[in-house]
Amino acid sequence: GQSLEQPSEVTAVEGAIVQINCTYQTSGFYGLSWYQQHDGGAPTFLSYNALDGLEETGRFSSFLSRSDSYGYLLLQELQMKDSASYFCAVTGGSYIPTFGRGTSLIVHP
Amino acid sequence: NAGVTQTPKFRILKIGQSMTLQCTQDMNHNYMYWYRQDPGMGLKLIYYSVGAGITDKGEVPNGYNVSRSTTEDFPLRLELAAPSQTSVYFCASSYSVPLNYEQYFGPGTRLTVT
Repeated sequence: GQSLEQPSEVTAVEGAIVQINCTYQTSGFYGLSWYQQHDGGAPTFLSYNALDGLEETGRFSSFLSRSDSYGYLLLQELQMKDSASYFCAVTGGSYIPTFGRGTSLIVHP
Repeated sequence: NAGVTQTPKFRILKIGQSMTLQCTQDMNHNYMYWYRQDPGMGLKLIYYSVGAGITDKGEVPNGYNVSRSTTEDFPLRLELAAPSQTSVYFCASSYSVPLNYEQYFGPGTRLTVT
C-alpha cells in the first residue's frame, strides 16, 4: 500500500518563506504531486516531481528525494491568499495517486 | 471548456434513501475518480475508472457503486444512505497516468445524511 506523512499545521507571517514536508511509503514510484485547497473549494494542482531535485514555478517550488522517500513544497514571499490546505500525493505502482491528510497553512499579517 | 462539473452542489438525505451524484468532464480524459473528504482530512478514493466500461474499487468503496458508460460521465450511486456517508464528494479526471499526472477536480457535492 501507500502512505504519506505531512504536518497538520504550519504558521508563518506574510512575506516569509515556509516549507511543508512530506514523507511517503509506496510500492513502486512514479511521482509526487502537490495540491492546494482553499476552504470550501476544490483541490487545484500545484506541482509534480518524478525525478530528484527542485522544480520551480513562480513563488512555489517542490523538491523530491527518491532515495529518502521525501519531498517538500516551498512557498516564498508568502501572501495572505496562500492560507489554505496543501496536500501531497504519491503515485505508485498502482498508477493511482494516494493523498496525504493535508497541511493547513496559516499566514499572519 | 467547463472542465469537471458535479451536480448537485448540496444535498440532504434521510437514512436509507439513495441518490446519484453526477460527474461530467469535457476534456476527453481517460481516468476519472471519486473521492470523499471528511472535515480536516485528506481525500480518500472511493472508485476510479481508467476508461469507458472499466471501473475499480479504491480505498473506501463500501456503500457506493459506479458506472462508466461514456468517456465523459462517471456517476456515483449511494444505496441505503448512512450518517457515515456525510462528507464532501469530489470527482476528478486526468489523462492516462503516469505520463500525465495532473488531476482536475470538480467543485464538490456536500452531502448530509440525517
